[in-house]
Amino acid sequence: EAQVTQNPRYLITVTGKKLTVTCSQNMNHEYMSWYRQDPGLGLRQIYYSMNVEVTDKGDVPEGYKVSRKEKRNFPLILESPSPNQTSLYFCASSLHRGSGANVLTFGAGSRLTVL
Amino acid sequence: AQSVTQLDSHVSVSEGTPVLLRCNYSSSYSPSLFWYVQHPNKGLQLLLKYTSAATLVKGINGFEAEFKKSETSFHLTKPSAHMSDAAEYFCVVTGPYTGGFKTIFGAGTRLFVKA
Repeated sequence: EAQVTQNPRYLITVTGKKLTVTCSQNMNHEYMSWYRQDPGLGLRQIYYSMNVEVTDKGDVPEGYKVSRKEKRNFPLILESPSPNQTSLYFCASSLHRGSGANVLTFGAGSRLTVL
Repeated sequence: AQSVTQLDSHVSVSEGTPVLLRCNYSSSYSPSLFWYVQHPNKGLQLLLKYTSAATLVKGINGFEAEFKKSETSFHLTKPSAHMSDAAEYFCVVTGPYTGGFKTIFGAGTRLFVKA
């Protein structure tokens, strides 16, 4: 089944403890992206990647890192999480390099709480 | 610059009555426009997309949207609401911008359907 898989789905952590949220897609998509969803703000883009080894900042990149060493994986790294990073995170992918005609396929989401 | 404004944060309708969810956009280029739906505790699912073909776009579950360039609008409609339509709906604009490519989400409209 074609899908985007995120892990973990739920995580509670403490301030400053490094964590990684993994994202993997099995559709050979070039474009991958991370979003955070907060009430009343919709989804805001954190980072995106046009292809392997090509990443760029979205609208809210502060406090996050990403890497794209393989086409299928796009992990989101929080080096030193803070409470304001408590949010619902979504990974998404699409076939081509951000083409507007290509539909985003979303993962199921990862709910992160930072105490 | 690109932006998306969903004019209502909440819409409440009775089952069997029409649904109208409003979206206005701003884009320096010819945009691609999408509507996504998010059911509780689920990821986002594509409802429909506009990519400069027909201005009236039909999607899944009886939804449709009309692209009106003169009004910079892309409102989502459905003739008769069903209880299963209760969810959050996001209007999305994508397109090129100087130095890259952007995907921008509206803040979302939560649809309530009363029996």
